[in-house]
Amino acid sequence: GQSLEQPSEVTAVEGAIVQINCTYQTSGFYGLSWYQQHDGGAPTFLSYNALDGLEETGRFSSFLSRSDSYGYLLLQELQMKDSASYFCAVSSSASKIIFGSGTRLSIRP
Amino acid sequence: SAVISQKPSRDICQRGTSLTIQCQVDSQVTMMFWYRQQPGQSLTLIATANQGSEATYESGFVIDKFPISRPNLTFSTLTVSNMSPEDSSIYLCSARGGLRGVRETQYFGPGTRLLVL
Repeated sequence: GQSLEQPSEVTAVEGAIVQINCTYQTSGFYGLSWYQQHDGGAPTFLSYNALDGLEETGRFSSFLSRSDSYGYLLLQELQMKDSASYFCAVSSSASKIIFGSGTRLSIRP
Repeated sequence: SAVISQKPSRDICQRGTSLTIQCQVDSQVTMMFWYRQQPGQSLTLIATANQGSEATYESGFVIDKFPISRPNLTFSTLTVSNMSPEDSSIYLCSARGGLRGVRETQYFGPGTRLLVL
């Protein structure tokens, strides 16, 4: 079977740093993506890792270890607007993306 | 980035009827997809909409229930047929592989909120 595991909920304080982990087990692997979705909104693309290592985009960074089937999304200098659901997703083929169950991030002042 | 619009944005339907959802992308894209999402849940891929040929359906989804069309590189429709309350969900159109943006980026439409009574 194919599965992606990520925590269902994470709570953090404004201005802090939070890491959302994702482990995956899929029949194929092309890369790991992260998406953000605010309540009532559409998912929006954050990052994509095809190779091992850290990719940084502003306050957000994403990491991948293919040997460990593991990745994480790191959010720094948290802002209230970062409160949302975050989905990891695996490109299991050239065309198909499988989404994790999502992590609901709540930020406290 | 690609901009995706969907119509209708929401609808309330009676069981046994059918609803067709339209998806328009503002630029040519290689791949278009249809997802379903229950509020607070993950996204489930229904099918890949192939231009000029039958869609590729995921396990648990069949063409008779979810017929899909894709007449060109920017437009697709999803029909939810013979609806039951279990079909109540958010239906999302998605696209990837355009001339603009990162190849791996997948864009999503705003979704169609469907309630079946």
